[in-house]
Amino acid sequence: AQSVAQPEDQVNVAEGNPLTVKCTYSVSGNPYLFWYVQYPNRGLQFLLKYITGDNLVKGSYGFEAEFNKSQTSFHLKKPSALVSDSALYFCAVRYAGKSTFGDGTTLTVKP
Amino acid sequence: DVKVTQSSRYLVKRTGEKVFLECVQDMDHENMFWYRQDPGLGLRLIYFSYDVKMKEKGDIPEGYSVSREKKERFSLILESASTNQTSMYLCASTTGPQETQYFGPGTRLLVL
Repeated sequence: AQSVAQPEDQVNVAEGNPLTVKCTYSVSGNPYLFWYVQYPNRGLQFLLKYITGDNLVKGSYGFEAEFNKSQTSFHLKKPSALVSDSALYFCAVRYAGKSTFGDGTTLTVKP
Repeated sequence: DVKVTQSSRYLVKRTGEKVFLECVQDMDHENMFWYRQDPGLGLRLIYFSYDVKMKEKGDIPEGYSVSREKKERFSLILESASTNQTSMYLCASTTGPQETQYFGPGTRLLVL
């Protein structure tokens, strides 16, 4: 069975500060890892993915994520947060065609 | 750009009614998915389909069925709606196991 954990329900940062949204996963083989963002009353939008190769993945809107196989983590990061980054963020793992999502982390960026 | 549309953004139904939620994608994707989203529970997979007329149960299929008669359309059916099926329903599609899932805007269903 595969699983995803987002240990923080809420992350609060000040605008201009770096942000990190944490994600750890458990899967028996080599996973495909994704981050999605959801704005209120909208569907999920793709941010970035890790399939293979470089452990640092760059995505949309200045976000990046670092794959760490030994720690089974895939944390989402951004060097300088914007108020408009405030949203709900989901980490997902895909293995054998099936996606499993974390419970989501609400990011609030304060001016 | 990939576009996934869902037939309704908001829906209010009565207990016991049969409910149809429709999803259409315009990029010829083979794989389509139905999820429900509830606060604190993330997204949970209800059903998915790898091809026309094919369907597979997800993690929470009870009380739901699906239909995929055409490649672009994937319907979720609540045979007899119950209040515990009040939720946000999200449809998604993708071309393959490595590829990004593209999501529709969601249908917020309220069952009274």
